[in-house]
Amino acid sequence: DGGITQSPKYLFRKEGQNVTLSCEQNLNHDAMYWYRQDPGQGLRLIYYSQIVNDFQKGDIAEGYSVSREKKESFPLTVTSAQKNPTAFYLCASSIVPGGNQPQHFGDGTRLSIL
Amino acid sequence: SQQGEEDPQALSIQEGENATMNCSYKTSINNLQWYRQNSGRGLVHLILIRSNEREKHSGRLRVTLDTSKKSSSLLITASRAADTASYFCATDRGSTLGRLYFGRGTQLTVWP
Repeated sequence: DGGITQSPKYLFRKEGQNVTLSCEQNLNHDAMYWYRQDPGQGLRLIYYSQIVNDFQKGDIAEGYSVSREKKESFPLTVTSAQKNPTAFYLCASSIVPGGNQPQHFGDGTRLSIL
Repeated sequence: SQQGEEDPQALSIQEGENATMNCSYKTSINNLQWYRQNSGRGLVHLILIRSNEREKHSGRLRVTLDTSKKSSSLLITASRAADTASYFCATDRGSTLGRLYFGRGTQLTVWP
C-alpha cells in the first residue's frame, strides 16, 4: 500500500543535541512538507519541497534544516538552535505542489526534551 | 499566522445529530480544503472545494463555500462516535506557491 512513513513515533532530545526525523513516501509525489503541531493548535509549516534538490522555508524554519536528495525522502533535522522543540511533527506529500492538491500525511513523530 | 479560523473550537453532540463546523478566512482563495485528525494521528483529507464552487458532497459530508463572506462550513450528517476527531480547514490564500495555511481546528466529540 502506498503511503507516508514517519519514524520514529517518539523521540527524545537532550540539551544541545541535533535529532533527525525521517519521512519516506512511496506515492511518487513531487511535493513534500513538514509541519509542527502544538497542543490545541493548527499546523504551522516548517519547510516544504516542490521537487527533488529544492526546498523553501515555511513560517517557522528557524532552528530546523531539511534535505531533499531523493524524491521519496524528506528528513527534518531539529537543531540545538531550536529552543522549544517539544511538539508533534507531521510530514505530508502531494502529487504536485499546489493549493488545489490534497495533502497526504504520515502519522507523526512526537518529540520531547529530556 | 493562521489563515483559517474554525468555530466553534469544540463541539459535543449525541450520535445521530448533525454537526456543523465553520471556517472563516481573511484573504482571497483559489481553493479551500477540509481535513480530519484523529487523536495522535496524521491528518486525512476530506474535501476540496474550489473558489467557483458553492457546495460539495461526499457521503455524509457537505461543504459549502461563500467567498463573499470568506467563510466555509462543514456539515456531518447523522454523526457517529467514530466521527470524533479534530477538523481543520486549510486555504491557499490565493497563492500559487504550492502551500496550505491551516486553521486551529474544531474538536468534535460525538457521544454514543
